[in-house]
Amino acid sequence: KQEVTQIPAALSVPEGENLVLNCSFTDSAIYNLQWFRQDPGKGLTSLLLIQSSQREQTSGRLNASLDKSSGRSTLYIAASQPGDSATYLCAVPGGPTSGTYKYIFGTGTRLKVLA
Amino acid sequence: EADIYQTPRYLVIGTGKKITLECSQTMGHDKMYWYQQDPGMELHLIHYSYGVNSTEKGDLSSESTVSRIRTEHFPLTLESARPSHTSQYLCASSERGSGNTIYFGEGSWLTVV
Repeated sequence: KQEVTQIPAALSVPEGENLVLNCSFTDSAIYNLQWFRQDPGKGLTSLLLIQSSQREQTSGRLNASLDKSSGRSTLYIAASQPGDSATYLCAVPGGPTSGTYKYIFGTGTRLKVLA
Repeated sequence: EADIYQTPRYLVIGTGKKITLECSQTMGHDKMYWYQQDPGMELHLIHYSYGVNSTEKGDLSSESTVSRIRTEHFPLTLESARPSHTSQYLCASSERGSGNTIYFGEGSWLTVV
């Protein structure tokens, strides 16, 4: 059964720092991995989608990497800003045994960037 | 930006009332989902649909029901609301296939008093 873990659960950094958020998954047979951002009381916004054949994806100050063999993904945020404060979640499809429709979500990392 | 809409955004309702949370998407996506999320907690899939007239229950048992009569519309109904139903309900959609982005609505906050 696929399990997704995110470390750390919470992170507080001063503005301008580069930071790394971690996501681990137990079953490496994934089709893709997706990173989301969730602001308090809101829905999820898709940030990056990495296909299983890719090693990384970049969008602006965000860079996500994927290492399927080790069951890990990292989200790198460059030059953090207070507007980056949110909860960041990663998700993978559950796979053939549990149905690829079932995205398994991590519990998220709550990021606070201090001005 | 994702074109998926949920109404109402916030609802306070008395115990025993029937409610329907609306979800519509204009992207023509075949797959639609309902997730439940308590504050600060993880998301749990409660319903999903592969297409019109296709609905299945998710991992988390829920007393709610769904219907998919039109591709763009996936409403969730609670026949008799209880305080234990208080939560945030998130609707999402994605294209057919396994490698596609999943898009979320803004969520519906339900409080049952």
